[in-house]
Amino acid sequence: AQSVAQPEDQVNVAEGNPLTVKCTYSVSGNPYLFWYVQYPNRGLQFLLKYITGDNLVKGSYGFEAEFNKSQTSFHLKKPSALVSDSALYFCAVRDRVGDDKIIFGKGTRLHILP
Amino acid sequence: DSGVTQTPKHLITATGQRVTLRCSPRSGDLSVYWYQQSLDQGLQFLIQYYNGEERAKGNILERFSAQQFPDLHSELNLSSLELGDSALYFCASSVGVRGDPQYFGPGTRLLVL
Repeated sequence: AQSVAQPEDQVNVAEGNPLTVKCTYSVSGNPYLFWYVQYPNRGLQFLLKYITGDNLVKGSYGFEAEFNKSQTSFHLKKPSALVSDSALYFCAVRDRVGDDKIIFGKGTRLHILP
Repeated sequence: DSGVTQTPKHLITATGQRVTLRCSPRSGDLSVYWYQQSLDQGLQFLIQYYNGEERAKGNILERFSAQQFPDLHSELNLSSLELGDSALYFCASSVGVRGDPQYFGPGTRLLVL
């Protein structure tokens, strides 16, 4: 069965430091991979996606994500965190063929400390 | 602003009642998705419609139903409401290709008393 794991409920990072939010998945084949961010009292916003090609994907607000096929991971990264990056981050996977369900991880709350 | 609109923003009702949530997708988007977000269950995919037809089903209860109309807006009907149905309900839209990102509306906050 398809699944997505975000192993950390919360990540704390000091402003200016690099950040990583982890995501691993279990899906047959090569899925589409996505990251979304949710600010308080708002809907989710698309950050970036992996379709094919370069393993390092660049997205909005200076975020990037590294696709690792052997480890079935798609970790979200940013070289220098801002306080305004504090939010809830979701990883999502979607199969390229077959069942068209979208599976979201449980979310990771990112706190950037000033 | 994602371009996806949802009404109402807030809804308070009683157990056993029935409510309808409405969603208008972004201009040009053919797919509409419904999600339920609660504190204990996280973000749960409920159902997807593409150009008026059901395309994928997630963890949607039998008491819940949805449809997408010819003008592409969608409605999610929740009936025989229970306390546990209290949650944020999001609608999202996309062009319709699997690799496309989804654009989420602001959500409807449902409180069942």
